[in-house]
Amino acid sequence: GAGVSQSPSNKVTEKGKDVELRCDPISGHTALYWYRQSLGQGLEFLIYFQGNSAPDKSGLPSDRFSAERTGGSVSTLTIQRTQQEDSAVYLCASSPSAGGAGTGELFFGEGSRLTVL
Amino acid sequence: GENVEQHPSTLSVQEGDSAVIKCTYSDSASNYFPWYKQELGKRPQLIIDIRSNVGEKKDQRIAVTLNKTAKHFSLHITETQPEDSAVYFCAAPDPGYALNFGKGTSLLVTP
Repeated sequence: GAGVSQSPSNKVTEKGKDVELRCDPISGHTALYWYRQSLGQGLEFLIYFQGNSAPDKSGLPSDRFSAERTGGSVSTLTIQRTQQEDSAVYLCASSPSAGGAGTGELFFGEGSRLTVL
Repeated sequence: GENVEQHPSTLSVQEGDSAVIKCTYSDSASNYFPWYKQELGKRPQLIIDIRSNVGEKKDQRIAVTLNKTAKHFSLHITETQPEDSAVYFCAAPDPGYALNFGKGTSLLVTP
């Protein structure tokens, strides 16, 4: 498959537990984005990677959220001590454009649906 | 950062009618305005985009218009079909690296 792959597709966890969400971007895409989509809401920007660097982390809602990207490819979004308000679909997108979101198409994955009980 | 407002939040039209969705943005420096379509349970996908050096762009039944002076842009779908039913998102780039999305318009096309 040539698309953006995310795992797990669904995750149910208990409040207070840590979760890791994985994104495998399209091969060769240098830019990677994480977004959060709550029920009936728009797409909330979380973080942007260019290669392994994250020049824009402005959307991370709290210090419980972190993300890394290794080898310029796979990215992991980690949420520590999950809260019920963290329940949402977490979408990853990649792009071949290196200049940020104003320069080209974002290719989204199917998302990871997180439910915190 | 860029603030994108989108209206209406829901839109219901009869098959064959036209649909128009409008967005406003706040950063006059923004120069790229894409529209994404998200079918139920699927990923968002780019359907059309426009850059600030043009006022209108068409692709078959879909068109986007841009008014930079008023800082608004619109999506026009003509001859709507049931498969056009989806949530549509407009977006504009933040001065940083983010693409900021509107809250979406849920379009329902009834046969």
